[in-house]
Amino acid sequence: GAGVSQSPSNKVTEKGKDVELRCDPISGHTALYWYRQSLGQGLEFLIYFQGNSAPDKSGLPSDRFSAERTGGSVSTLTIQRTQQEDSAVYLCASSLGDSRYEQYFGPGTRLTVT
Amino acid sequence: AQSVAQPEDQVNVAEGNPLTVKCTYSVSGNPYLFWYVQYPNRGLQFLLKYITGDNLVKGSYGFEAEFNKSQTSFHLKKPSALVSDSALYFCAAPKAAGNKLTFGGGTRVLVKP
Repeated sequence: GAGVSQSPSNKVTEKGKDVELRCDPISGHTALYWYRQSLGQGLEFLIYFQGNSAPDKSGLPSDRFSAERTGGSVSTLTIQRTQQEDSAVYLCASSLGDSRYEQYFGPGTRLTVT
Repeated sequence: AQSVAQPEDQVNVAEGNPLTVKCTYSVSGNPYLFWYVQYPNRGLQFLLKYITGDNLVKGSYGFEAEFNKSQTSFHLKKPSALVSDSALYFCAAPKAAGNKLTFGGGTRVLVKP
C-alpha cells in the first residue's frame, strides 16, 4: 500500500518568508510525528499528534513553528519568518498508535533558506 | 527520563565481516527499543523492535539485535555485512514522559568491498 508522502520534496525560500510543508500519513494510522534532521545529523523531535488528543508540541523550537492535523489525516507544518538556521530536512512519520508501534517515515522535505 | 546513546559516530567494516552497531539505554521500567536505518537520500526505515520476550530480536535485511538488561544495551548485529548495508543507523526508545521517541545520535556504517 501507499506509504507516507510529503510535499514538496525540496523547498528553497528566502529568509523571512513563510513556508508550509505537507504530510500525508498512511491511511488508518492514528499517530503522526514531525522531526527535523540537520545535514547528516540526528533527529530532532518537533511535534506529535495522536488521535483526537491535544498534540505534544514540546519539541517546537520557537513560536515561528506550528502544525495542524486536519480530520485526523493530513498534517501541515508551518514555519513563519524563516531563518537560515531552519534549513534542514523535515521528516514526517505515522504509526498505528503510541510509541510502542514502529513509525513509518516519509522521504522528507529538504528546506533551504537563503 | 528515558534516553538512548550510540557511542560510535562511525563504524567501518569489510564486506563479509560481522557488523555490530552499539546502543545503550537508560530507562525506567520495561524498555521499548527500536532500530531504524536511513539509506543515503532516503527516509528512515524500521528495522526491528524489542518490546518483551526473547532477548534476541530478528528484523529486516538479516539484522538482529540483542537485548541485554544487565548491560542496558541493545546492540544491532549482522553476521555478514554487505556493501549495501552502508547507511546511518539510529537506536530509539520512547520517552518516559510521553509517547514520543527519543533517538540516539546515529552511527554511520561504512562497509568496504
